[in-house]
Amino acid sequence: DGGITQSPKYLFRKEGQNVTLSCEQNLNHDAMYWYRQDPGQGLRLIYYSQIVNDFQKGDIAEGYSVSREKKESFPLTVTSAQKNPTAFYLCASSVAITGGAETSGYTFGSGTRLTVV
Amino acid sequence: SQKIEQNSEALNIQEGKTATLTCNYTNYSPAYLQWYRQDPGRGPVFLLLIRENEKEKRKERLKVTFDTTLKQSLFHITASQPADSATYLCALINNNDMRFGAGTRLTVKP
Repeated sequence: DGGITQSPKYLFRKEGQNVTLSCEQNLNHDAMYWYRQDPGQGLRLIYYSQIVNDFQKGDIAEGYSVSREKKESFPLTVTSAQKNPTAFYLCASSVAITGGAETSGYTFGSGTRLTVV
Repeated sequence: SQKIEQNSEALNIQEGKTATLTCNYTNYSPAYLQWYRQDPGRGPVFLLLIRENEKEKRKERLKVTFDTTLKQSLFHITASQPADSATYLCALINNNDMRFGAGTRLTVKP
């Protein structure tokens, strides 16, 4: 079954700690994305990648970092510089951003809920 | 600045009725508009899209309209069922830019 897997489902972070959220897809999609979802707000784009070894900042990239060493994987690190990291994090993938994603939509993972303790 | 508003945070209707959800936008010219369904604790699932030159799109019990003059999309679920209860998100796309609304939580009561 093709899909996109996020792990862990729940994650707790202590103050000053870096944590990494995993995202793996077997859909052979070129593009991958990280979003943050907070209550009452739309999904906000953190980072996206259209191709291996290349990624772009989204609207709220500060305090986050990513890597795209393999087509299938796009991990997100929440660094200690992110002052308000408690949120629901969603990873998504799609066919090429231009000429594909508009009509086929994004495939989302099940999310990781990060809580600062 | 760009703004996307979905009519209300929550909508409650009786089973069998038609649910109508609204997505309004300002300072944006989307070429496409997509609708997603999101269940609690899960990621959104793509439902359907409509292009800027299309007035209406249907898929089974779902109907979407897109009025670029009013800057509004309406999402209808006919003959609603309790299983339709979820949060529905609209997403606007232009070139490489995709913007999501905050969503409307729909509850269908038996």
